[in-house]
Amino acid sequence: GAVVSQHPSRVICKSGTSVKIECRSLDFQATTMFWYRQFPKQSLMLMATSNEGSKATYEQGVEKDKFLINHASLTLSTLTVTSAHPEDSSFYICSATRPGPRVEAFFGQGTRLTVV
Amino acid sequence: DQQVKQNSPSLSVQEGRISILNCDYTNSMFDYFLWYKKYPAEGPTFLISISSIKDKNEDGRFTVFLNKSAKHLSLHIVPSQPGDSAVYFCAAVHGYTGNQFYFGTGTSLTVIP
Repeated sequence: GAVVSQHPSRVICKSGTSVKIECRSLDFQATTMFWYRQFPKQSLMLMATSNEGSKATYEQGVEKDKFLINHASLTLSTLTVTSAHPEDSSFYICSATRPGPRVEAFFGQGTRLTVV
Repeated sequence: DQQVKQNSPSLSVQEGRISILNCDYTNSMFDYFLWYKKYPAEGPTFLISISSIKDKNEDGRFTVFLNKSAKHLSLHIVPSQPGDSAVYFCAAVHGYTGNQFYFGTGTSLTVIP
């Protein structure tokens, strides 16, 4: 079963509104979660690294005031797209790495955001 | 700067034949490599991995080969099945820097029945 749950899977919002996407690790504590964005026919582009209890680390070119990340607990990180515009329409995916002898990332199911 | 590259955006293979997906990387500090499979509108799912201390890892129909001197890895699927049709991403991890994954651009595999 899924070990990382992402919600919602699909959202349509009006331009100018804000949308919150949740990412939960279901059976392990994730001190670090990652948020990715995927454009059509392109790779997963890392947007930011979400650290529990501290500020997120954003990749170059990602507006931190537009993509607000909160990692309030060891099992939950949220991405809020503020004042959404049509160009923000994309597929957003979160991931978390599970502690253990082997490095492994588990991904959420993804969120298809459409801004109209 | 793309540190992990998949130069073939797409690949078509006949059912039952072998699928070979390739991946190149530039950072010699990468010490762990993974392959993920992704269906449309879904998150990637883990397929197989290999540590830099190995040159081959096999799991059922899937085998990953690592050539450290060439900074190249490949995923072999044999025999290929229609259900294997998906986008495959390779990823690399630099253990020293923690758990940030560097992804390739993906290869879309189509297995023709």
